[in-house]
Amino acid sequence: DQQVKQNSPSLSVQEGRISILNCDYTNSMFDYFLWYKKYPAEGPTFLISISSIKDKNEDGRFTVFLNKSAKHLSLHIVPSQPGDSAVYFCAASGGSNYKLTFGKGTLLTVNP
Amino acid sequence: DVKVTQSSRYLVKRTGEKVFLECVQDMDHENMFWYRQDPGLGLRLIYFSYDVKMKEKGDIPEGYSVSREKKERFSLILESASTNQTSMYLCASRGARNQYFGPGTRLTVT
Repeated sequence: DQQVKQNSPSLSVQEGRISILNCDYTNSMFDYFLWYKKYPAEGPTFLISISSIKDKNEDGRFTVFLNKSAKHLSLHIVPSQPGDSAVYFCAASGGSNYKLTFGKGTLLTVNP
Repeated sequence: DVKVTQSSRYLVKRTGEKVFLECVQDMDHENMFWYRQDPGLGLRLIYFSYDVKMKEKGDIPEGYSVSREKKERFSLILESASTNQTSMYLCASRGARNQYFGPGTRLTVT
């Protein structure tokens, strides 16, 4: 049973435009959400996170939105740059459980 | 900055060999994790450790074991490597609520 779902395996956008990556979850106990970025042959790097007490968190070009009632979060990248081309993983954790549950990832390609 | 290092970036082993993958973190974190990443399957948790000598199975522990003798070091052991264990192996260390990953080991079993 997939508790964190990234339904789009890939996304392609033009440089300078907005990239929107989506993530859905099913476990109501999740209260902390993260996005990781991964380049080929490298480990994932932490990008941005959001606690369930918030509905938005912003860090430079990256903004994460959380809709708890819909159990949905999204990552917005504005403006998109070719260096943003990578696989993006959504992850979630809940309460005292320190494990992260990951989605399967979305490959973002930003075309010059 | 948190630093997580893994002993090898690329490794090629033969079927049946015993394989050791080592991970070291420098932030005195209690929790450490081993994942494997395969195309289309995301990151799957193999084992994790919440303290020295303490370990718990993740979602796919079969064919693997782990060792945590010191806080900073967490080892993944493939007792008898098989071709279906060809994968990217990622170690992570947990601080607060974030996990910090090492660079990964690309293991090929032939």
